[in-house]
Amino acid sequence: EAGVAQSPRYKIIEKRQSVAFWCNPISGHATLYWYQQILGQGPKLLIQFQNNGVVDDSQLPKDRFSAERLKGVDSTLKIQPAKLEDSAVYLCASSLEGGYQPQHFGDGTRLSIL
Amino acid sequence: QKEVEQDPGPLSVPEGAIVSLNCTYSNSAFQYFMWYRQYSRKGPELLMYTYSSGNKEDGRFTAQVDKSSKYISLFIRDSQPSDSATYLCAMTGGSNYKLTFGKGTLLTVNP
Repeated sequence: EAGVAQSPRYKIIEKRQSVAFWCNPISGHATLYWYQQILGQGPKLLIQFQNNGVVDDSQLPKDRFSAERLKGVDSTLKIQPAKLEDSAVYLCASSLEGGYQPQHFGDGTRLSIL
Repeated sequence: QKEVEQDPGPLSVPEGAIVSLNCTYSNSAFQYFMWYRQYSRKGPELLMYTYSSGNKEDGRFTAQVDKSSKYISLFIRDSQPSDSATYLCAMTGGSNYKLTFGKGTLLTVNP
């Protein structure tokens, strides 16, 4: 079974620029999550999708972050404009359904803001 | 008080040692408890998944949950250099379903 795929693996941009991350979940997984992991911290949930719909985006900074999951499969997360404090690893995870199903993570995109 | 507390370490042990990793939590609604292993520049990998109190064993790994004390543990027997990684506890429960992580403990197993 192929795992969660993410790209790019690394990205370096200057502050105020925009950036986008892509995620392809495990086949058949209805629920997709985006997390932000700052160095030395555990992952923090940004947004959760169930198929096409948003289940929880309460911790997504909506003035600069946006995410979509078209057709209930792939997802993109965008930051515009980026701030220095956005430097982090952005992790995508998926699970069969939401609720208490175990989540499986991709290797993330490491974002550095100059 | 943070919802999940985990000592970040670092923890350094010799090969073959028994390792004990721990987390405490404050939210009594948590019912599902997980341990993830995260190698450098990789995503978290699910190691153990337990429900409510009790023990679960998988090879060299044993997860323990004590809901009365709000305390969970991961034991690694006969530790190997390949076990060197950051170990994250995570938990969820109640109507929210959101996974709450600890900060992670950095473990190094020296040959």
